[in-house]
Amino acid sequence: NAGVMQNPRHLVRRRGQEARLRCSPMKGHSHVYWYRQLPEEGLKFMVYLQKENIIDESGMPKERFSAEFPKEGPSILRIQQVVRGDSAAYFCASSGGPPGPYNEQFFGPGTRLTVL
Amino acid sequence: AQKVTQAQTEISVVEKEDVTLDCVYETRDTTYYLFWYKQPPSGELVFLIRRNSFDEQNEISGRYSWNFQKSTSSFNFTITASQVVDSAVYFCALSNGGSSNTGKLIFGQGTTLQVKP
Repeated sequence: NAGVMQNPRHLVRRRGQEARLRCSPMKGHSHVYWYRQLPEEGLKFMVYLQKENIIDESGMPKERFSAEFPKEGPSILRIQQVVRGDSAAYFCASSGGPPGPYNEQFFGPGTRLTVL
Repeated sequence: AQKVTQAQTEISVVEKEDVTLDCVYETRDTTYYLFWYKQPPSGELVFLIRRNSFDEQNEISGRYSWNFQKSTSSFNFTITASQVVDSAVYFCALSNGGSSNTGKLIFGQGTTLQVKP
């Protein structure tokens, strides 16, 4: 069983470019969470999606950031017009069901975004 | 408000010493879950444990043990006979279990543990 996969593992962008981060959940999982880890900090929740729906985006910056989880294919976190402050590690986690005591979040290896 | 505080930023011990990582949490929910994750230098997040708020029984897994005390809102993690491979950043996290819960994890700032040979 493959775990949560994220690609690319490392991404370098210049200021003003777009960054697309992909997350393929574990097989059979339809719930995806995105977290951001700024340098020297803990992880911060960004968004929670189920297939084709955004359930909780309370942690998403109001501009330039968007996320989707289509019926087919991976979840995408998109950052438009990146700035240096977007440099961080972005982690995706997947779960097999709705939040509850028996639905763990399994984390991917992360994508490390560097904005030059 | 929900909050997780890991007051220890960095801890350095010598191999074979015992070490305790502190975690204090705040939540208004009566049902919640507490977690510990390990982040080794390679950067991935490794799940260590989840504890339900209704289960205050302490847990031991090999050299790892966890002490959950609702009275002090703490969920401390002890490594017995530490090894160099334990060197990592350790995160404590909280998730609310109420009806409006979306499962999002609230992480502490992390404690960097360095175990020297």
